[in-house]
Amino acid sequence: GENVEQHPSTLSVQEGDSAVIKCTYSDSASNYFPWYKQELGKRPQLIIDIRSNVGEKKDQRIAVTLNKTAKHFSLHITETQPEDSAVYFCAASKVGGSQGNLIFGKGTKLSVKP
Amino acid sequence: KAGVTQTPRYLIKTRGQQVTLSCSPISGHRSVSWYQQTPGQGLQFLFEYFSETQRNKGNFPGRFSGRQFSNSRSEMNVSTLELGDSALYLCASVKQTSTDTQYFGPGTRLTVL
Repeated sequence: GENVEQHPSTLSVQEGDSAVIKCTYSDSASNYFPWYKQELGKRPQLIIDIRSNVGEKKDQRIAVTLNKTAKHFSLHITETQPEDSAVYFCAASKVGGSQGNLIFGKGTKLSVKP
Repeated sequence: KAGVTQTPRYLIKTRGQQVTLSCSPISGHRSVSWYQQTPGQGLQFLFEYFSETQRNKGNFPGRFSGRQFSNSRSEMNVSTLELGDSALYLCASVKQTSTDTQYFGPGTRLTVL
């Protein structure tokens, strides 16, 4: 089955710096890759997602890139702010066949220091 | 539009007992997935229901079961609780397929003593 590896497990940056989180997946049939942000004591919330027919997607300070050949995708946060501090999870899913479940990475705890 | 709701929010049980958790998806959403979140294992997929049928299942023992009702509300049941079942149980609501965004509920925090 699918396996998603996420690195690093912790990341500390200064406010205003960029943060990059990387994930690799094992199932070449996966074609949907969302990123979730989870603040302490709260539910995971989708921040951006990408589908396999797209190589890059941006939403203000957040961008995701996908390399299907290498089976990895990355989250880029620019101009980080203290409110970006949270745990970020990447996930992979297949559309078609067995649907509806996300296989998550173990998460990255991002700390943004003012 | 109301979000995903889960009840109860907190539960304390003892080993050997059973528990039932409930999830109400966003109105119009037909798919509900369940996940277990623990510090050690992260977010792990339990099962997914669509139109009252289990459509997909993760690698959990048979003590974990679920069902979905005609109004798309879903319940999950854990029998013969073990200490290791202590976790945050999250359900996610999806309109129809995994091309749609999964919206998570606030979770049920289960503590097994």
